[in-house]
Amino acid sequence: KQEVTQIPAALSVPEGENLVLNCSFTDSAIYNLQWFRQDPGKGLTSLLLIQSSQREQTSGRLNASLDKSSGRSTLYIAASQPGDSATYLCAVYNNNDMRFGAGTRLTVKP
Amino acid sequence: DADVTQTPRNRITKTGKRIMLECSQTKGHDRMYWYRQDPGLGLRLIYYSFDVKDINKGEISDGYSVSRQAQAKFSLSLESAIPNQTALYFCATSALAGFTDTQYFGPGTRLTVL
Repeated sequence: KQEVTQIPAALSVPEGENLVLNCSFTDSAIYNLQWFRQDPGKGLTSLLLIQSSQREQTSGRLNASLDKSSGRSTLYIAASQPGDSATYLCAVYNNNDMRFGAGTRLTVKP
Repeated sequence: DADVTQTPRNRITKTGKRIMLECSQTKGHDRMYWYRQDPGLGLRLIYYSFDVKDINKGEISDGYSVSRQAQAKFSLSLESAIPNQTALYFCATSALAGFTDTQYFGPGTRLTVL
């Protein structure tokens, strides 16, 4: 059974700092991995999707990497802003089964 | 207007009651999903549907049922609600096969079972 873990559960940083969020999974046989953002009272918004054949994806200040062999993904956020404050979740997909991590709650202080 | 809507947004009910959560989408997607989110556990898949005639159980389908009334509508029912079904419920849609494309989420329904 696939298990997805995100560490840390919460992170607080000052504005402008670069930061890395971590996601690990137990079964390396995945088709893709997604990073989502969740704001309070709202649904999830997909940030980046990495196919199993890819090593990384970039969108603006966000860069996600994938290392299937070690069961790890990282989400790098450059020059963090208060508007980046949210919960970030990763999810892995394999065989019609999508598994989410519990998320990292990020606070960027002005 | 939002692409994926859920009604109601909040619901308080009592143990043993039947309740239905509704999801509608205007994205024209064939694939629809129901998840529940519990504190500290992330999201877990309840049911998913790849087209109107297709219904599949997810990780935690016990105690739930679904109906895909049309391409745009996918409802989740709790036949006899129990307190441990208190959670935040999300509907999502996607365009391509399986889970290999971006999923678009509704705003969620917060359900409390007393």
